[in-house]
Amino acid sequence: DADVTQTPRNRITKTGKRIMLECSQTKGHDRMYWYRQDPGLGLRLIYYSFDVKDINKGEISDGYSVSRQAQAKFSLSLESAIPNQTALYFCATSDLKGQSTGELFFGEGSRLTVL
Amino acid sequence: GNSVTQMEGPVTLSEEAFLTINCTYTATGYPSLFWYVQYPGEGLQLLLKATKADDKGSNKGFEATYRKETTSFHLEKGSVQVSDSAVYFCALSDGGYSTLTFGKGTMLLVSP
Repeated sequence: DADVTQTPRNRITKTGKRIMLECSQTKGHDRMYWYRQDPGLGLRLIYYSFDVKDINKGEISDGYSVSRQAQAKFSLSLESAIPNQTALYFCATSDLKGQSTGELFFGEGSRLTVL
Repeated sequence: GNSVTQMEGPVTLSEEAFLTINCTYTATGYPSLFWYVQYPGEGLQLLLKATKADDKGSNKGFEATYRKETTSFHLEKGSVQVSDSAVYFCALSDGGYSTLTFGKGTMLLVSP
């Protein structure tokens, strides 16, 4: 089983619908992240959380919200989806305890299409 | 702020050719530098890293040297294989409470 699991892997929805992407991890990491990937734009950070009580906006948080339900779970919501939110979304985790240097561990991605 | 610039792709090579993908960065202090690889249909995975100046990261035949004087971390491989076809991302981290900053990615296509 994957250490970082994203559901759903693929989703097609319509403009205005509410969508939730879920992420769970078995690595025991404190830090979790949501990125979106668009062709030619690389990865852009949406939200991140350094522990259960911590939520931070990334560079493109408008139109998104997150919930850190537990150390192992971090969900991303689109309250009212729009077509330019069509993208590949990645969840990632990291552990910066000790001398670790912040390597990220990624899920396999959730492809979202908004019609 | 921090930024990473990498060469645009796609880079198209024949099998056994030499590979270089350029990466330069802007950062305050002394960041750690990373190369991540994304194979088709998969998430990103760490390929190699370097945490201080003049360090050389290496893995699977790929190498990159942390050059503080030129603020660069170019990825090289002496002989590419078809299985190396993927998107490669350069990234940096200031450590501590910072997040990773990624470049836009470079697609590598290797033909037999």
